[in-house]
Amino acid sequence: QKEVEQNSGPLSVPEGAIASLNCTYSDRGSQSFFWYRQYSGKSPELIMFIYSNGDKEDGRFTAQLNKASQYVSLLIRDSQPSDSATYLCAVTMNRDDKIIFGKGTRLHILP
Amino acid sequence: SAVISQKPSRDICQRGTSLTIQCQVDSQVTMMFWYRQQPGQSLTLIATANQGSEATYESGFVIDKFPISRPNLTFSTLTVSNMSPEDSSIYLCSVGNLAGADTQYFGPGTRLTVL
Repeated sequence: QKEVEQNSGPLSVPEGAIASLNCTYSDRGSQSFFWYRQYSGKSPELIMFIYSNGDKEDGRFTAQLNKASQYVSLLIRDSQPSDSATYLCAVTMNRDDKIIFGKGTRLHILP
Repeated sequence: SAVISQKPSRDICQRGTSLTIQCQVDSQVTMMFWYRQQPGQSLTLIATANQGSEATYESGFVIDKFPISRPNLTFSTLTVSNMSPEDSSIYLCSVGNLAGADTQYFGPGTRLTVL
């Protein structure tokens, strides 16, 4: 059974610091990896996707993928209180396959 | 990304009744999905809505309880039938394969409370 594992948190990070969110997945054939942000009472919002090993940067966000270790992470630099949310890691094998979601990590940025 | 709308945004229903949730997208999309998110939980895929054919249901979900329609590439409905309090949840539609990308985008959700 395909699984995506995340630490549920809460992860507390001081404002201005780097928040590091981690995710592991069980299916070695997985090809596409996503990070969604979900504010309380809102629907998930796609913030990053990555397909290749290495780092992908977008503003304050960096996604890191290591397929050999079956590990994907999200770094948030210069954390802001508005970054406080639940972050969902998601994985799929191909573009026509369903996405498997982790249970999410609650991130709390301390002012 | 596409603009996705859902109706109703929330509803309170009586046990034993049914509710139909609509999902509308402002552009044609290949894939549409229906998810459930119970309080404090992550997303659970209910089914993939297939245009022109029967929906593909995940384990634990059946057509009699959650009938789905997908009459065209921009619209889908999910019906929650014969509701019980255990069906209280947020129901989300999502769309995928926009412009060839295999990412998914979510609608705003429907918050359902069953009394």
